[in-house]
Amino acid sequence: AQSVSQHNHHVILSEAASLELGCNYSYGGTVNLFWYVQYPGQHLQLLLKYFSGDPLVKGIKGFEAEFIKSKFSFNLRKPSVQWSDTAEYFCAVNAVGANNLFFGTGTRLTVIP
Amino acid sequence: DTAVSQTPKYLVTQMGNDKSIKCEQNLGHDTMYWYKQDSKKFLKIMFSYNNKELIINETVPNRFSPKSPDKAHLNLHINSLELGDSAVYFCASSQFGLENIQYFGAGTRLSVL
Repeated sequence: AQSVSQHNHHVILSEAASLELGCNYSYGGTVNLFWYVQYPGQHLQLLLKYFSGDPLVKGIKGFEAEFIKSKFSFNLRKPSVQWSDTAEYFCAVNAVGANNLFFGTGTRLTVIP
Repeated sequence: DTAVSQTPKYLVTQMGNDKSIKCEQNLGHDTMYWYKQDSKKFLKIMFSYNNKELIINETVPNRFSPKSPDKAHLNLHINSLELGDSAVYFCASSQFGLENIQYFGAGTRLSVL
């Protein structure tokens, strides 16, 4: 079975700081990778996804993530965060063709104006 | 129009009661899911239905019974509610296939007193 680790539980940044949130997964086969964001009191929204091809994927709101297969990692980055990025960020993985989506425990991002 | 809609948004009830949460999707997807998000924000899949057939049934007490009258609906019925059932329950849907992008509802916050 797959598992996902997000090592940062709570990250606090000032506006304009750069962001990198770690995500590592364990699974030996081919995977799809996702980052979801949950703004306070709202549902999960897809931020970006990786299926195949270019390992650097760009998502909405200036976020990007890089898939490094050798490290089983899919870290999320943003060069300059805004107060409105304050949210919970979830990394998720599923085996290609499977329904099960395994989530990490989430990273809370607080951006201070 | 909301793609994945859940009702109710909030549910407060006493221990021992029976309650239902409804979910509907208008995306034309063939697969629907129920997730439980605990107080630590950890998301875990409970059930998944594909074309009204149960395909994922994680280790969940049998007090929880999903019902899918058609592809667009997946309801969750919970019998004899317990304090530990307090959580946010998310419904999601996807089109089964290699990529399987899941779209989430706004969640139902269940509080058992």
